[in-house]
Amino acid sequence: GAGVSQSPSNKVTEKGKDVELRCDPISGHTALYWYRQSLGQGLEFLIYFQGNSAPDKSGLPSDRFSAERTGGSVSTLTIQRTQQEDSAVYLCASSLASGVNIQYFGAGTRLSVL
Amino acid sequence: AQSVAQPEDQVNVAEGNPLTVKCTYSVSGNPYLFWYVQYPNRGLQFLLKYITGDNLVKGSYGFEAEFNKSQTSFHLKKPSALVSDSALYFCAVRDKNSNNDMRFGAGTRLTVKP
Repeated sequence: GAGVSQSPSNKVTEKGKDVELRCDPISGHTALYWYRQSLGQGLEFLIYFQGNSAPDKSGLPSDRFSAERTGGSVSTLTIQRTQQEDSAVYLCASSLASGVNIQYFGAGTRLSVL
Repeated sequence: AQSVAQPEDQVNVAEGNPLTVKCTYSVSGNPYLFWYVQYPNRGLQFLLKYITGDNLVKGSYGFEAEFNKSQTSFHLKKPSALVSDSALYFCAVRDKNSNNDMRFGAGTRLTVKP
């Protein structure tokens, strides 16, 4: 596609349920990033994939959060046993590679945990 | 590890006046520096970046930023603000010598009043 695509755009779930958020990066982009944007918290780095290298998971807030990237393209962010504090907008970005390359962002998934 | 500070949560300016959005950074080596903008209900968009060379970087929509190594700053500026510049602005940094990827600041909300 022309840009980074994220689905769903909105997700409402009940506390304790698992959710999966999907990101389709721009074709040919080897680097993929997940961020969390909370009200008053700015942009929080979660995880970063670069090619076939082991992902940088240093930003994941707890072991309830995990992500995978299949075939070097689509990525799924999974949150298990969701909590109300997980409510936020989850943003995905991709770039040609890391370093100086521009990151292109998707519109995000707004997650609401009731 | 690298980090970014945006000391102002909110900046208010009148249309036609110059604007400055502040950013300071911390890296162990030399930095790559970026500004991104987020308009309401939109994903983040790249604005400009500093890699090397001239300390004054010009970007989209008439924005510019000045890299100041001694003050570890990369403030965003525009000579004459427009109401349409009202948005959330994020500064980001990456250490050139690190495998860690970019870290974003908490964001500054710019409001330009007519």
